[in-house]
Amino acid sequence: AQSVTQLGSHVSVSEGALVLLRCNYSSSVPPYLFWYVQYPNQGLQLLLKYTSAATLVKGINGFEAEFKKSETSFHLTKPSAHMRDAAEYFCAVRGRGSQGNLIFGKGTKLSVKP
Amino acid sequence: DVKVTQSSRYLVKRTGEKVFLECVQDMDHENMFWYRQDPGLGLRLIYFSYDVKMKEKGDIPEGYSVSREKKERFSLILESASTNQTSMYLCASSLFFSRTGLGNTEAFFGQGTRLTVV
Repeated sequence: AQSVTQLGSHVSVSEGALVLLRCNYSSSVPPYLFWYVQYPNQGLQLLLKYTSAATLVKGINGFEAEFKKSETSFHLTKPSAHMRDAAEYFCAVRGRGSQGNLIFGKGTKLSVKP
Repeated sequence: DVKVTQSSRYLVKRTGEKVFLECVQDMDHENMFWYRQDPGLGLRLIYFSYDVKMKEKGDIPEGYSVSREKKERFSLILESASTNQTSMYLCASSLFFSRTGLGNTEAFFGQGTRLTVV
């Protein structure tokens, strides 16, 4: 069965510092992977998705993620954190079957210090 | 602009009440989902539907039921609300995999309904 594990429930960085949010997946088939962001009291918004066309995926708001099959990872990065990046981030993998439900990690809450 | 709309942002209900959470999407998506979100547990799938009148149980269906009479609308029903159902509920929709041929079809989410059962 597919699953994702997000390492670290809380990550704190200073404004301008590198953001690195970790996600490892488990899948017996080529995975379809996603990163979502949730701002306080909001729904989830897609940041980026892995399409298999390229291992480095660029998303919105300056975020990108690199798919590494050998490490079964899909870590999310941003070179320079901004205060507005403070939110909760979820990694997800598509479940098996054609219905397409997404299986989510437990989330990582990002804090950005001035 | 694609849209998934949940009927209420905040709800307060009493224990034992029957509660309806409504979700409407305007993207002609086949798939619709209800997730529950709790701190430290992430999002857990309650039910999903891939067609009108079709439904499948997710990971935590106990205490919930769903209804999909029209393609655009997916309702979550708490038959007899209990305090342990206090949570954030998120509705989502997506295209059916076989229509796109692409496994990377994403889900679009509503704003969420924060339900408190007292």
